[in-house]
Amino acid sequence: DQQVKQNSPSLSVQEGRISILNCDYTNSMFDYFLWYKKYPAEGPTFLISISSIKDKNEDGRFTVFLNKSAKHLSLHIVPSQPGDSAVYFCAAPSGSARQLTFGSGTQLTVLP
Amino acid sequence: DAGITQSPRYKITETGRQVTLMCHQTWSHSYMFWYRQDLGHGLRLIYYSAAADITDKGEVPDGYVVSRSKTENFPLTLESATRSQTSVYFCASRKAGDDEQYFGPGTRLTVT
Repeated sequence: DQQVKQNSPSLSVQEGRISILNCDYTNSMFDYFLWYKKYPAEGPTFLISISSIKDKNEDGRFTVFLNKSAKHLSLHIVPSQPGDSAVYFCAAPSGSARQLTFGSGTQLTVLP
Repeated sequence: DAGITQSPRYKITETGRQVTLMCHQTWSHSYMFWYRQDLGHGLRLIYYSAAADITDKGEVPDGYVVSRSKTENFPLTLESATRSQTSVYFCASRKAGDDEQYFGPGTRLTVT
């Protein structure tokens, strides 16, 4: 049972436009969410996070929105740049060690 | 330079061989994790450790063994490698009280 789902394996957008990456979850006990970015042949790097007590968190060009009633979060990138082309994972911590459960990832391609 | 490192970066081994993947972090983080990344599955947790000499199973532990005699090291051993263990392996760490995990660059393992 996948507790964190990213249903879009890939997304292509034009440079300068908005990129919207989506993530759904099933576990209502999740209280925190993180987005990671991954380039080929590198480890994932932390991008932005949001607590379940908030519905929005913004950091420069990146904004994460959380809709708890729908168990849905989204990552908005505005404006998108070619350097944003990467795989994006959403994740949520749970368990005794707050270990992360990851979605399957979305490959974002920003076209120049 | 401080951080989290993995070795080797690439490894080819034969079915039935024992292989150990190394992970070393210089932050003295309490928690360490091993994930594998496979297409369509995102990152799945293999094992984790809350402190030296404390380890526990994750989502996909079968065929793997871990140890943590020192805080900074968390080796992952495949006791008898199988082709299904061909994957990219990531080590991560985090400090107590923080949900953000820091990832190593990964080890690409091929079992022939």
